[in-house]
Amino acid sequence: DAKTTQPPSMDCAEGRAANLPCNHSTISGNEYVYWYRQIHSQGPQYIIHGLKNNETNEMASLIITEDRKSSTLILPHATLRDTAVYYCIVIIETSGSRLTFGEGTQLTVNP
Amino acid sequence: NAGVTQTPKFRILKIGQSMTLQCTQDMNHNYMYWYRQDPGMGLKLIYYSVGAGITDKGEVPNGYNVSRSTTEDFPLRLELAAPSQTSVYFCASSGLGAGGTYEQYFGPGTRLTVT
Repeated sequence: DAKTTQPPSMDCAEGRAANLPCNHSTISGNEYVYWYRQIHSQGPQYIIHGLKNNETNEMASLIITEDRKSSTLILPHATLRDTAVYYCIVIIETSGSRLTFGEGTQLTVNP
Repeated sequence: NAGVTQTPKFRILKIGQSMTLQCTQDMNHNYMYWYRQDPGMGLKLIYYSVGAGITDKGEVPNGYNVSRSTTEDFPLRLELAAPSQTSVYFCASSGLGAGGTYEQYFGPGTRLTVT
């Protein structure tokens, strides 16, 4: 599975968009980009995933560059409850894929 | 649906003691996983199962054992507890979702201290 690089921490003002970057320059053609987040002391929560097209759901948007070497998770209107560690994970989309969690990005949303 | 449930929530063990961490899911998922998370670190995979009767090692299996006799349950056994096993343990499951994806659903975790 491709390795990912994320900044260790970011801050965002409440109500603003939070843009979390992820580099995955060694990604291969059949690997998907998944995003999970972990709010303090809780189990990780799935957010969104994509292959090469941009994706949007009720939680966030995922922008993947054309060369697929990087992506950005966008929380359009961050709230205090979005304060969490965000993990970008690249995996082959098969049943039972095992997630490899890196250090992630600690996002702090400030009032 | 309750999703993924784990018991106990907290446990303190003495060195050398044994215990079983319970995990149950009610989503009829075939795939189940055990992860551990040390303070300030990401999750590491201990064991996983692709279906009843089938288990395999993950990244950090030493000191642990698992079994999968039913689709719903995936217990994790610690035979001789050591201080290095002090961690938070998360169970997860995944199955084919409505969108044709396999996102994992995590339980609330078991916080284990070995002293």
